[in-house]
Amino acid sequence: EVQLVESGGGLVQPGGSLRLSCAASGFTFSSYWMSWVRQAPGKGLEWVANIKPDGGQTSYVDSVKGRFTVSRDNAQNSLYLQLDSLRVEDTAVYYCARPQYCSSADCYVPYFDPWGQGTLVTVSS
Amino acid sequence: EIVMTQSPGTLSVSPGERATLSCRASQSISTNLAWYQQKPGQAPRLLIYGASTRATGIPARFSGSGSGTEFTLTISSLQSEDFAVYYCQQYNNWPGSFGQGTKLEIK
Repeated sequence: EVQLVESGGGLVQPGGSLRLSCAASGFTFSSYWMSWVRQAPGKGLEWVANIKPDGGQTSYVDSVKGRFTVSRDNAQNSLYLQLDSLRVEDTAVYYCARPQYCSSADCYVPYFDPWGQGTLVTVSS
Repeated sequence: EIVMTQSPGTLSVSPGERATLSCRASQSISTNLAWYQQKPGQAPRLLIYGASTRATGIPARFSGSGSGTEFTLTISSLQSEDFAVYYCQQYNNWPGSFGQGTKLEIK
């Protein structure tokens, strides 16, 4: 069974940093693109970032470019999201997800299946 | 960026009845549309992709249709476990975008 388990969320002040983790199991992690998707409280969903299987290519939604960094450790079957220069509007549940509709070279606009249970990031003073 | 608009915002239906949820794209997205179900405190679950293909393990009472800008998710006979929030997502144009959701509640 494919499982994705996020951790690392919490309360942080504006301008602060946080590192989210996602532990993957049940599939060959090193063969798949991976993504982060977020959901602000009571709001809809927003794709945040993608990373290629070998970690050599990443992409981000414009609102987080230069502030968030996605990375992975294939030996540990783990995905990470480093959140820097956090803003109040970054408050959300962050989900780790496996994107679909990707090729070996690109994962331009995927849909997502499966998803982890999410980890809550709250940015507030 | 493509805007996805779902209607209605809330739909009240009795168990055993049919539910029809709509999703409209601000420009054509071919059939590059997915539907997700989300229950309180849970992650979204993929139901439909390619506008009409059920994901693995999804019951046959869930069906999707449409192309271009107009899409529909139909649940033929509502079960208690189907009451949830449903989101559509286009994956035709970067960066992909989700609708605001339709809450399906028990009448």
